[in-house]
Amino acid sequence: RKEVEQDPGPFNVPEGATVAFNCTYSNSASQSFFWYRQDCRKEPKLLMSVYSSGNEDGRFTAQLNRASQYISLLIRDSKLSDSATYLCVVNTGGYQKVTFGTGTKLQVIP
Amino acid sequence: SAVISQKPSRDICQRGTSLTIQCQVDSQVTMMFWYRQQPGQSLTLIATANQGSEATYESGFVIDKFPISRPNLTFSTLTVSNMSPEDSSIYLCSVKGSGGYTFGSGTRLTVV
Repeated sequence: RKEVEQDPGPFNVPEGATVAFNCTYSNSASQSFFWYRQDCRKEPKLLMSVYSSGNEDGRFTAQLNRASQYISLLIRDSKLSDSATYLCVVNTGGYQKVTFGTGTKLQVIP
Repeated sequence: SAVISQKPSRDICQRGTSLTIQCQVDSQVTMMFWYRQQPGQSLTLIATANQGSEATYESGFVIDKFPISRPNLTFSTLTVSNMSPEDSSIYLCSVKGSGGYTFGSGTRLTVV
């Protein structure tokens, strides 16, 4: 089993739609969780950290389920500018080491 | 969050040669991370660079192929040695700040 797994997509959704991504992780001792966004030919950029109680930032909601070892990202009212690859990132060891999921590609269609 | 300056942004190199990639951070950081992102894939950690000690390499990566320097708390280099076409990839450096991980803009390497 991979350390961090994501559905690669692509997810093709119309503008205004709500879309959800899931990510599972194998190390139950993982402590830190993030969602990153990567645009084509660009470096990854932090979208949001994921907290145990769940957190929201505008149209974006992140949740953590420790019992089932997965995190989720919900995007409401999708915009064309949301088109990107969304990377799940999990701390999988000591000294700040993290593992990236393979990414889920989102394409928002007019 | 930290700002990272990475260079070169891209290069085309002959097989058998070496390329050194530099990352400069605008603040002092204990650890710097070097990643590889092959076409259409996610990021794979190559090694973790600590100032004043040897880098820690992940499985599948060795110091002879990817020597790393970390002369101070704001700078690191990664060298891709004796390159082959399989080394064609994007290489990124990263640091961890209070708000998560920040990345350099990447070096797009093509080996011909």
